[in-house]
Amino acid sequence: QKEVEQNSGPLSVPEGAIASLNCTYSDRVSQSFFWYRQYSGKSPELIMSIYSNGDKEDGRFTAQLNKASQYVSLLIRDSQPSDSATYLCAPWRRNSWGKLQFGAGTQVVVTP
Amino acid sequence: NAGVTQTPKFQVLKTGQSMTLQCAQDMNHNSMYWYRQDPGMGLRLIYYSASEGTTDKGEVPNGYNVSRLNKREFSLRLESAAPSQTSVYFCASSEGGNNQPQHFGDGTRLSIL
Repeated sequence: QKEVEQNSGPLSVPEGAIASLNCTYSDRVSQSFFWYRQYSGKSPELIMSIYSNGDKEDGRFTAQLNKASQYVSLLIRDSQPSDSATYLCAPWRRNSWGKLQFGAGTQVVVTP
Repeated sequence: NAGVTQTPKFQVLKTGQSMTLQCAQDMNHNSMYWYRQDPGMGLRLIYYSASEGTTDKGEVPNGYNVSRLNKREFSLRLESAAPSQTSVYFCASSEGGNNQPQHFGDGTRLSIL
């Protein structure tokens, strides 16, 4: 079992709809989670971080964390063509020297 | 507002040649990382430096060496390039403390013929 699992996609989402991305992780000591967006041919860009159970909203993005279920998700509301990218999930855990274990990412395609 | 700067952006090597990829950050971060990204494989950690003066192996260190030259700079060296090292290489940095994310450079696209 991989440490971080994401559906590879592509996840096709109509413009204006909600995109729902999921990430499960195997390490129970993971404490924080980061979501990165990566456009094709570009580098990963941090878009969200979440440290505690529950929801965190930032603009059109909402991250949801459930540590008991070892599950984190990212919702993109009012999806736009500019949201078409690969989204990477990365748990952080204490005593890891800042190392992150990245999921392989979910490709999102927003169709007009 | 440079952040993490990688050079070069593109490089083509022949098998057996050596090369050093350069990375510098201007955010006063303590920790720096080198990744490679291959299609379908996600980001894989090659080496990291938790703080100035320290380096350690990541998930895929074979065929690579690193140098943490100072707090700003962290270089990755391929001593004898192999076609299997064709990849996109990313350098990243972070403060290194609790709950700190990593910030990435633009990447180096390396082809080995």
